[in-house]
Amino acid sequence: DAGVIQSPRHEVTEMGQEVTLRCKPISGHDYLFWYRQTMMRGLELLIYFNNNVPIDDSGMPEDRFSAKMPNASFSTLKIQPSEPRDSAVYFCASTASGSGETQYFGPGTRLLVL
Amino acid sequence: GDSVTQMEGPVTLSEEAFLTINCTYTATGYPSLFWYVQYPGEGLQLLLKATKADDKGSNKGFEATYRKETTSFHLEKGSVQVSDSAVYFCALINTGFQKLVFGTGTRLLVSP
Repeated sequence: DAGVIQSPRHEVTEMGQEVTLRCKPISGHDYLFWYRQTMMRGLELLIYFNNNVPIDDSGMPEDRFSAKMPNASFSTLKIQPSEPRDSAVYFCASTASGSGETQYFGPGTRLLVL
Repeated sequence: GDSVTQMEGPVTLSEEAFLTINCTYTATGYPSLFWYVQYPGEGLQLLLKATKADDKGSNKGFEATYRKETTSFHLEKGSVQVSDSAVYFCALINTGFQKLVFGTGTRLLVSP
């Protein structure tokens, strides 16, 4: 299995631009999570989906952030417009019901907003 | 709400030294407990887990025992290697939920 796949691995953009991060979960997993990691705030859960439906988006920082999961094998996290304080590493993770709750993380997307 | 507290880092050790990273938790119910490891430039990987009181999780020489009486899940290794240098995260999931609650992470630096 290829594991959780994220793209791009690195993104540098200018303030005000739209940024789209992509995630392909492990095949057969029905939960997908988006996390953000910064030095100041550590690991934060932004949103998670079950069977492509958003279950909890209470961690999404503001309306500039949006996430979609159009099908079981693809999810996007979009920031529009981006700001320098959005600079962070964004991780996607997935898990399967009944798997003992272990989440499998992707390699992350390192975002730098100038 | 649920929370995880782990010791501040960095923890600096020489190769073959004994490692302990403390982790305590606050949670209602009966959470499952996890240790994840993050190597430089990579995502988090599950290191070990325990799902009920007195369970011991183990992997790659690391161990942690779920202690309900002290609400702790301390990570130990008898002899660390340079390749163990990484950031270690303690985490919990409470029963019936899917949200991982992470500690702040502890950086381990092992020198030859």
